[in-house]
Amino acid sequence: KAGVTQTPRYLIKTRGQQVTLSCSPISGHRSVSWYQQTPGQGLQFLFEYFSETQRNKGNFPGRFSGRQFSNSRSEMNVSTLELGDSALYLCASSQTENTGELFFGEGSRLTVL
Amino acid sequence: DAKTTQPNSMESNEEEPVHLPCNHSTISGTDYIHWYRQLPSQGPEYVIHGLTSNVNNRMASLAIAEDRKSSTLILHRATLRDAAVYYCILRDGRGTGGFKTIFGAGTRLFVKA
Repeated sequence: KAGVTQTPRYLIKTRGQQVTLSCSPISGHRSVSWYQQTPGQGLQFLFEYFSETQRNKGNFPGRFSGRQFSNSRSEMNVSTLELGDSALYLCASSQTENTGELFFGEGSRLTVL
Repeated sequence: DAKTTQPNSMESNEEEPVHLPCNHSTISGTDYIHWYRQLPSQGPEYVIHGLTSNVNNRMASLAIAEDRKSSTLILHRATLRDAAVYYCILRDGRGTGGFKTIFGAGTRLFVKA
């Protein structure tokens, strides 16, 4: 069974631009969550979606947003990029909102210049 | 939000057991304790999770203190492939029904041949 797919794997943007990252969960998984990983802050929770509804959100500014589609695919968007947004963005899926195991993708590495 | 505390690094000899501790003194009754590990340039990989009772699977064992304020991940025989960063995570199922996953800083495990 195919794993969690994240696209693009690498991208470079400049300050002030916006970026959209995509996540395709494992088939049958309805919950998708997003995380930001940086050397300084480690892994931080961004938000979680289940059945197209945002169920929880981490402590990030409003520039970070996301959505989930009816096929459970998810996108996250960061507007007005800052240098500090450079990070590895990880997506994880799970079968239901109450199922323990998270399956992570390999991430999208964003560099902001 | 409940936090976890882990040692920054630990070292083990190959084929010896490894006990990775995690403190979560502010854990709530609905927080699940999860462990994931991350190899370089990869997304985190699920290891094990539990709520109150000790858990075993093919990868590891999870020992949860009676008061749930700490837990220990046990790798029964460390191999070189177990060298990774191990994260102790609390998944909070309160609120709207979704999970807000909180990552600790992780423990980098070194395995010596």
